Amino acid sequence: DAGITQSPRYKITETGRQVTLMCHQTWSHSYMFWYRQDLGHGLRLIYYSAAADITDKGEVPDGYVVSRSKTENFPLTLESATRSQTSVYFCASSGPSGRGYEQYFGPGTRLTVT
Amino acid sequence: GQQLNQSPQSMFIQEGEDVSMNCTSSSIFNTWLWYKQDPGEGPVLLIALYKAGELTSNGRLTAQFGITRKDSFLNISASIPSDVGIYFCAGLWSNFGNEKLTFGTGTRLTIIP
Repeated sequence: DAGITQSPRYKITETGRQVTLMCHQTWSHSYMFWYRQDLGHGLRLIYYSAAADITDKGEVPDGYVVSRSKTENFPLTLESATRSQTSVYFCASSGPSGRGYEQYFGPGTRLTVT
Repeated sequence: GQQLNQSPQSMFIQEGEDVSMNCTSSSIFNTWLWYKQDPGEGPVLLIALYKAGELTSNGRLTAQFGITRKDSFLNISASIPSDVGIYFCAGLWSNFGNEKLTFGTGTRLTIIP
């Protein structure tokens, strides 16, 4: 019962490099989300996906790219990392609980851009 | 972006005390969710509320969906050391696929020895 997993858990990269954060869920949830969490800003939505091949921008999408070719995977790519993208990134998935939709989070990836 | 007003921002209590926190919004929601986040971990869903006026418990935790649909409350009874963490409320207005949560700013709970 893996649920939702993220990899890597920790990543250090240099400014300008491309970085991909992986997210995998085993529940077959239709919705998946990427958030970043920074002190003073709480959780901010980067991108989300309603289903495979359907993605949409969230609150802070600039500098990020997502794809969703399979329902269970939702990778997040930083095309050219900047120091302002140093953050903790959380993936989440959402599916029906019988009464409504509930969103479940992965353990997070702590990214440092030097 | 939009955030819910969550209060208090932080609480310092002694073990065994009861805790109350709340979340208010200028918008109505049809779902309220309460999460707890431990250091270095992702938020964990504690309680989900789907109906105005609903009162739901999960062990020592009790949450309520406000009648106006613009607020929600979380109570923790007889606090224990593992209750330490940050509690977030989140509101959801589900609109034919718009499943985006709006998060509160968080309440940091600390237990004084």
